[in-house]
Amino acid sequence: DTGVSQDPRHKITKRGQNVTFRCDPISEHNRLYWYRQTLGQGPEFLTYFQNEAQLEKSRLLSDRFSAERPKGSFSTLEIQRTEQGDSAMYLCASSLAILRGNEKLFFGSGTQLSVL
Amino acid sequence: AQKVTQAQTEISVVEKEDVTLDCVYETRDTTYYLFWYKQPPSGELVFLIRRNSFDEQNEISGRYSWNFQKSTSSFNFTITASQVVDSAVYFCALSDANSGNTPLVFGKGTRLSVIA
Repeated sequence: DTGVSQDPRHKITKRGQNVTFRCDPISEHNRLYWYRQTLGQGPEFLTYFQNEAQLEKSRLLSDRFSAERPKGSFSTLEIQRTEQGDSAMYLCASSLAILRGNEKLFFGSGTQLSVL
Repeated sequence: AQKVTQAQTEISVVEKEDVTLDCVYETRDTTYYLFWYKQPPSGELVFLIRRNSFDEQNEISGRYSWNFQKSTSSFNFTITASQVVDSAVYFCALSDANSGNTPLVFGKGTRLSVIA
């Protein structure tokens, strides 16, 4: 069990550029979540996958955001035409979901995005 | 709609003092789960406890204890004999089991500083 890993740890980009983050969940976990956290706030849900299917997307997730989990293993989160308001910590979490709602999430250390 | 309120933004205590972190939640569901997570300076959220709505027994784990009261919709967390290593941001979170695939909703967190 190597834990949830996220890459890169930090990303600095200029406004208007595209960025992509990667998340590798715990290998046997079937669910993968993306959250966003800004300073002084709790994590806010963005989207989640069960295996390769994207089951829910938050209204926070604008059209510039897209996430994939092509083989039900790692996931990528892409932000197109970044804006300064996208600056945040992007957290990935995974879980082994058996019952609805009670799953324990394991979080990665996050990718800190700074848009200049 | 689900909501988690952590009214205490920051708390500072001297080592060995007891400290209680408050959490109040709102949900329309009768079956739900409550969680506490710890976010140390390294950034990775760490699971502390999960409680389901039918189990109002208080729980103690070492220096940590949790007081769940449905009558006041509260799930408070007490650290006894606090230590410097307890310094972190603590998040309370809620997940509904009945209302479809509802992801975890977090409060804004309480930053605890334990001073030696």
